[in-house]
Amino acid sequence: GENVEQHPSTLSVQEGDSAVIKCTYSDSASNYFPWYKQELGKRPQLIIDIRSNVGEKKDQRIAVTLNKTAKHFSLHITETQPEDSAVYFCAALTGGGADGLTFGKGTHLIIQP
Amino acid sequence: NAGVTQTPKFRILKIGQSMTLQCTQDMNHNYMYWYRQDPGMGLKLIYYSVGAGITDKGEVPNGYNVSRSTTEDFPLRLELAAPSQTSVYFCASSRGENTIYFGEGSWLTVV
Repeated sequence: GENVEQHPSTLSVQEGDSAVIKCTYSDSASNYFPWYKQELGKRPQLIIDIRSNVGEKKDQRIAVTLNKTAKHFSLHITETQPEDSAVYFCAALTGGGADGLTFGKGTHLIIQP
Repeated sequence: NAGVTQTPKFRILKIGQSMTLQCTQDMNHNYMYWYRQDPGMGLKLIYYSVGAGITDKGEVPNGYNVSRSTTEDFPLRLELAAPSQTSVYFCASSRGENTIYFGEGSWLTVV
C-alpha cells in the first residue's frame, strides 16, 4: 500500500517568515495530494490540494508543489501569521479513492510572535 | 447542509463494553470512511465503504465492525472495548477522486 512520509515533525518560524513542509509518497499510482490543517480539538480541514497532472498550485499565501518523478510534494506558507499555528497533514490518494487517503504523521507549525 | 455528522462527541467506556459510533452524511457521497487519530499522530483508516452494502477493511480494522445499509449512514461498532481503542474517531465522506470531508470527531476513552 501507499506510504507517506512527512518532515519536519515540528517547525517553528518567526511571524512574517515562510514555512515549508515536505512529504514523500511511495506509490507512483497516487494521483491526488491534499493538505489538511488541524487546530487543537478540531477536525482536519482541507486548505489546498493538487492533482498529479499539475506541478504547482497557489491560493493566496499558500502554495503546493508536486514533483512526480521524485514522488514528493511540498506545502509553502508565506508571510506567516499567528493563526497559521496548527498541525498540518499531507496525504495521498491512490486510484479511484476507494481506499481513502494515506496520511503523513503531521507537522506542528508554531508561529513565534 | 450539515455535511458529515457523527455522534456522540465524547464517550467513556469501560473495558469489555460495546458501543456504536454513528455517522451520517447529506452530500450524497458514495464513499465513506472511518479513521482513528491517536495523540500526536496522523490518521489511520479503519474501514471504508464505496457504496451501500459494500464495506472493506482499512489499515487498522481489528476490534471494529461497520455496516452500510444506506448511502447516508456508516456506523462503526466497537466490540469488547480495550484501552488501545482510546482515540479520536473521524468519519469522512467523498465522491471518490475528490475532496474528503471530515466529521467533527468522536473522543473515546476506554478505562
